[in-house]
Amino acid sequence: QKEVEQDPGPLSVPEGAIVSLNCTYSNSAFQYFMWYRQYSRKGPELLMYTYSSGNKEDGRFTAQVDKSSKYISLFIRDSQPSDSATYLCAMSGKTSYDKVIFGPGTSLSVIP
Amino acid sequence: ETGVTQTPRHLVMGMTNKKSLKCEQHLGHNAMYWYKQSAKKPLELMFVYNFKEQTENNSVPSRFSPECPNSSHLFLHLHTLQPEDSALYLCASSQDSAGGYEQYFGPGTRLTVT
Repeated sequence: QKEVEQDPGPLSVPEGAIVSLNCTYSNSAFQYFMWYRQYSRKGPELLMYTYSSGNKEDGRFTAQVDKSSKYISLFIRDSQPSDSATYLCAMSGKTSYDKVIFGPGTSLSVIP
Repeated sequence: ETGVTQTPRHLVMGMTNKKSLKCEQHLGHNAMYWYKQSAKKPLELMFVYNFKEQTENNSVPSRFSPECPNSSHLFLHLHTLQPEDSALYLCASSQDSAGGYEQYFGPGTRLTVT
């Protein structure tokens, strides 16, 4: 079983839709959970990170962590064509020195 | 220049060549990372440097040789590569390796080995 799993998509939605992106993981030691956005021909850009369980909101983006289910989500409200990118989840262990493990990414297209 | 820069952006090299990738961060960070990104695969961590000291070598073949002369610069020296080494090579930095959950990436070098 892979440490971090993520549906590669592609996911295509109309502009204005609510987008749900998800990752599952197997290592119960993970405590830091991150979401990165990667545009074509660019490096990943950190959107937000959360520590342990719970929700975190930043503008149109909300990250949720459910450690009991080993499941994390990123919701994008009022999606825009500029949100079209690959979204990578990432996580690391209970000490912040632990290696970060990335998911393979989900490709999202928001259609005008 | 701001953030994390990488040069060259594209590189084509033969299997017998020697080349180097350069990364520079302008964020005042103390940890720097090399990652390999292949199509449809997760980012693979290659090396980590914290305050110029190598703290992680993720079983990377010796044909990849990192160098970190100071906290702002990171190099990846390449020699006798294989076609399967063709990928996007990404550099990242963080405040230090304890802050690895908040990494800032460069745009990457697209490497093609012929």
